[in-house]
Amino acid sequence: ETGVTQTPRHLVMGMTNKKSLKCEQHLGHNAMYWYKQSAKKPLELMFVYNFKEQTENNSVPSRFSPECPNSSHLFLHLHTLQPEDSALYLCASSPTLTPGRETQYFGPGTRLLVL
Amino acid sequence: RKEVEQDPGPFNVPEGATVAFNCTYSNSASQSFFWYRQDCRKEPKLLMSVYSSGNEDGRFTAQLNRASQYISLLIRDSKLSDSATYLCVVNPLSGNTPLVFGKGTRLSVIA
Repeated sequence: ETGVTQTPRHLVMGMTNKKSLKCEQHLGHNAMYWYKQSAKKPLELMFVYNFKEQTENNSVPSRFSPECPNSSHLFLHLHTLQPEDSALYLCASSPTLTPGRETQYFGPGTRLLVL
Repeated sequence: RKEVEQDPGPFNVPEGATVAFNCTYSNSASQSFFWYRQDCRKEPKLLMSVYSSGNEDGRFTAQLNRASQYISLLIRDSKLSDSATYLCVVNPLSGNTPLVFGKGTRLSVIA
């Protein structure tokens, strides 16, 4: 497969819960991304990390908190979510953010349902 | 003009048909282009890169027209398994801006 893994694959949580999504890439890449994809909607970029440093926060509400302890791991901490946050959360990685023919490789995603 | 624009479809075609998708992009400085495929409830997967001279991979052909700022994907001899959403992706190549994804074109190949 693609070398990008995500856990859990499915998550159901209440609005008062706190949970974390985990992403790990085994490709030796230095850039990692979080995307949100709601039903029948396009991909929405949430966060970008390059060499563990956050380079982009795409106006994401503070109830989503990313963490990148090293270039291989990326977390998305969730707290006090809303039902409209239910979506497929996709992690991706790429060699770097520098221009070129490099592209992104996606993990299988975490399907989140907020009740 | 949206950064990356695609006809959402759906394109409903019979098996064996040839189908083509176009995608337009707004940033004339963009240099790298890709087509991804996304199956229902799955992650996007890289289908092919698009090179300036055009490129072919089996039944799939990608073309780039820089003057008109569009890229195309041609699928010949469509199979049922080609049914998916096809995402047009552009690398704007400006600073640290990551890839820009189109909204996708839905293809259904019918027996």
